[in-house]
Amino acid sequence: KQEVTQIPAALSVPEGENLVLNCSFTDSAIYNLQWFRQDPGKGLTSLLLIQSSQREQTSGRLNASLDKSSGRSTLYIAASQPGDSATYLCAVKRTDSWGKLQFGAGTQVVVTP
Amino acid sequence: NAGVTQTPKFQVLKTGQSMTLQCAQDMNHEYMSWYRQDPGMGLRLIHYSVGAGITDQGEVPNGYNVSRSTTEDFPLRLLSAAPSQTSVYFCASSPQLTYEQYFGPGTRLTVT
Repeated sequence: KQEVTQIPAALSVPEGENLVLNCSFTDSAIYNLQWFRQDPGKGLTSLLLIQSSQREQTSGRLNASLDKSSGRSTLYIAASQPGDSATYLCAVKRTDSWGKLQFGAGTQVVVTP
Repeated sequence: NAGVTQTPKFQVLKTGQSMTLQCAQDMNHEYMSWYRQDPGMGLRLIHYSVGAGITDQGEVPNGYNVSRSTTEDFPLRLLSAAPSQTSVYFCASSPQLTYEQYFGPGTRLTVT
């Protein structure tokens, strides 16, 4: 059974510091891994998608890496800003069903001015 | 493109009532799905569809029905609402199996 874990559950950093968010999964039989951002009371905004054959993806200040063999992904956010405060979720798309997304519980991030 | 839209944004039901949560997408995506988000449980898949006329159950389907008569719409029906169905419901769509999934803004449902 696929388990997705995000550690830490919460993180507070001063503005300007780099953020490092971790995601681990137990079964490497995945199509891809997707990182989302969720603001309080809002929906999920897709940040980055990494296919299982890729090692990393970049978009602006965001960089996500994927090590499928060890079951780990890391989201880096450079030079954090107060607007980066949100909950970040990772999700793996499994190959053993239609393509269900298996979500982690999320990391709640606060960036203080 | 409006993307994935959901209505209503908020809904309060009494136990035993039925209702339909609407989901629509204008991106011509084949794959659509419904998730519920509960504190401490994360997001869990309720039902999904791989195209018009084709639906299947996810991991928590009990108490919910779906149908997919068009590519654009994927409504979720609560047959007889129970307090355990109090949750935030998200609809998602994707063009292909291995592509990025796009989520709607959610419907916050309270069952009293």
